[in-house]
Amino acid sequence: QSALTQPASVSGSPGQSITISCSGTSSDVGSYNVVSWYQHHPGKAPKLMIYEGSKRPSGISNRFSGSKSGNTASLTISGLQAEDEADYYCCSYAGSSNWVFGGGTKLTVL
Amino acid sequence: QVQLQESGPGLVKPSETLSLTCTVSGGSINNYYWNWIRQPPGKGLEWIGYIYYSGSTNYNPSLKSRVTISVDTSKNQFSLNLSSVTAADMAVYYCARQGGYNFPFEYWGQGTLVTVSS
Repeated sequence: QSALTQPASVSGSPGQSITISCSGTSSDVGSYNVVSWYQHHPGKAPKLMIYEGSKRPSGISNRFSGSKSGNTASLTISGLQAEDEADYYCCSYAGSSNWVFGGGTKLTVL
Repeated sequence: QVQLQESGPGLVKPSETLSLTCTVSGGSINNYYWNWIRQPPGKGLEWIGYIYYSGSTNYNPSLKSRVTISVDTSKNQFSLNLSSVTAADMAVYYCARQGGYNFPFEYWGQGTLVTVSS
């Protein structure tokens, strides 16, 4: 299984919206509606932001939303805030109880 | 609040075995899937494998020949052994909990850096 493809970096100004893409294959993202997204501030534990493609865990702001089309999943953050600056990782079930992550995207809030 | 804490040597020699333990507090280890995930410096996350509390396991095919994950329910701990390490195994190692084998990783530890060097 190969890593999912994410842009290395994205940026946006406070209040704006950004979208991070996560490209997989028909063996992972395209076959299962089990994509999750994690926010990671260096030195801290990664935090689950989106699961099953578009669901938010309790306590996660509705500024975070997820979607999927074909073999590509996306995370959109609206109303950017300074504290959103972090690394974001997508993850997909890849069958046979295996999991694959993306390479990560560094979000910079300008 | 469930908390996970990784522990183990921060330095391992090439060709030796990397051994880490994850201690779970604030909840039982029973009825969950417990994972190891790593992040090499400057790279993305890589899923290593999981163990169910009952002892069944599943490993990343790329690491399967070198990985063993075990669980000690009496201590609320699970462990990772990775044999024959090389510089490519240098990474921050995280432990994480899943509610089911196809559930998201809902709780994570803060990670522990393991350096491979003689």
